[in-house]
Amino acid sequence: DAGVTQSPTHLIKTRGQQVTLRCSPKSGHDTVSWYQQALGQGPQFIFQYYEEEERQRGNFPDRFSGHQFPNYSSELNVNALLLGDSALYLCASSFRTGISGNTIYFGEGSWLTVV
Amino acid sequence: ELKVEQNPLFLSMQEGKNYTIYCNYSTTSDRLYWYRQDPGKSLESLFVLLSNGAVKQEGRLMASLDTKARLSTLHITAAVHDLSATYFCAVDIRNNDMRFGAGTRLTVKP
Repeated sequence: DAGVTQSPTHLIKTRGQQVTLRCSPKSGHDTVSWYQQALGQGPQFIFQYYEEEERQRGNFPDRFSGHQFPNYSSELNVNALLLGDSALYLCASSFRTGISGNTIYFGEGSWLTVV
Repeated sequence: ELKVEQNPLFLSMQEGKNYTIYCNYSTTSDRLYWYRQDPGKSLESLFVLLSNGAVKQEGRLMASLDTKARLSTLHITAAVHDLSATYFCAVDIRNNDMRFGAGTRLTVKP
């Protein structure tokens, strides 16, 4: 049973460029959340997708957008990259929103460096 | 604004010793998670605490939750080097929208 898979694992972008990160949730899971983890800090919630809609959003600008596909996989898009966007981007998958007790699984993450 | 505060942020222990990491949070929640992160790696789920008074143990780690005090603890018993990692608590504020603490960087020395 594949866990949460993310791609790419590492990438380097230039300021002002755009980036797309991808996530496939664990088999049977239908909810995908994205987190940004800067070096030495805890993960920060970006947004969550369920039934192909953004359900919740953290305190991130509109440059951060996403999408969920019918197969539950998800993309995170960041436009007009800033140096401060350099971070580990983590995808978390779970089964349905609002159900207590379901374990949330994280992918290995995508390391983004903006130069 | 929701705050999730862990302390200590840095912890250096000798093998065989006991210690407790604290996680205080400022909002009402009855779901709290503990994760472990090794350098350059993703987050590994350790415990899911779902109700007031919940206590869970796995090996040398034991976690508890007091929702009235808005406090969770992660107790380490007889530490070993393999426990060296960063430990995060995370509060579920709404439908798996988790807010993380800053992490406790644990180093266990021989």
